[in-house]
Amino acid sequence: DIQMTQSPSTLSASVRDRVTITCRASQSISSWLAWYQQKPGKAPNLLIYEASRLESGVPSRFSGSGSGTEFTLTISSLQPDDLATYYCQQYNNYPHTFGQGTKLEIK
Amino acid sequence: EVQLLESGGGLVQPGGSLTLSCATSGFTFSTYTMAWVRQAPGKGLEWVSGISASGSNTYYADSVKGRFTVSRDSSNKRLYLQMNSLRAEDTALYFCAKRKSLSIAASDYWGQGTLVTVSS
Repeated sequence: DIQMTQSPSTLSASVRDRVTITCRASQSISSWLAWYQQKPGKAPNLLIYEASRLESGVPSRFSGSGSGTEFTLTISSLQPDDLATYYCQQYNNYPHTFGQGTKLEIK
Repeated sequence: EVQLLESGGGLVQPGGSLTLSCATSGFTFSTYTMAWVRQAPGKGLEWVSGISASGSNTYYADSVKGRFTVSRDSSNKRLYLQMNSLRAEDTALYFCAKRKSLSIAASDYWGQGTLVTVSS
């Protein structure tokens, strides 16, 4: 199985900060990576697919990059509504494994 | 509007069985791969199982292989997860999720989940 490792596990940042979350795959997954946002008590919400494609309706402050084994999710200007946990998921091979999550806190 | 609604969760003893159901609407169910994802209390997301649009191909996480069976019924637009030999570590909120498209396996719609508690 492909292992997905996110860093950091917890991140504290201020409104309007630029925030970056990293996801590493244990083997190459080309660009078959998605990012999800999960707010407390809610189902996950798809933000980015194919590593860099923004899902419809997602604010443009979210962006994704990378290929192979290293990927990043960037929030260009953090907003209070971005308080959530963020997960990466690879869908190159079954099982479609998730990273352990990055909890984003607003200072 | 796409909607996914899970049901069938509850309290079950270790070694017991439970079947989860996911009722779908708002899209052509028979043309989309579907998945089950779970989340233990206070923990991260764990992909559990997937099933192709036709139902002919199924996939499982190692942690549930041989114990869980995924299936689908296109006539009533439902996804199922039969769970046998349940363990305490299967306690989680179980989500069903729809694949975005034939070429993109990311999940673009999710249900709100159904809670399974395995305890004596």
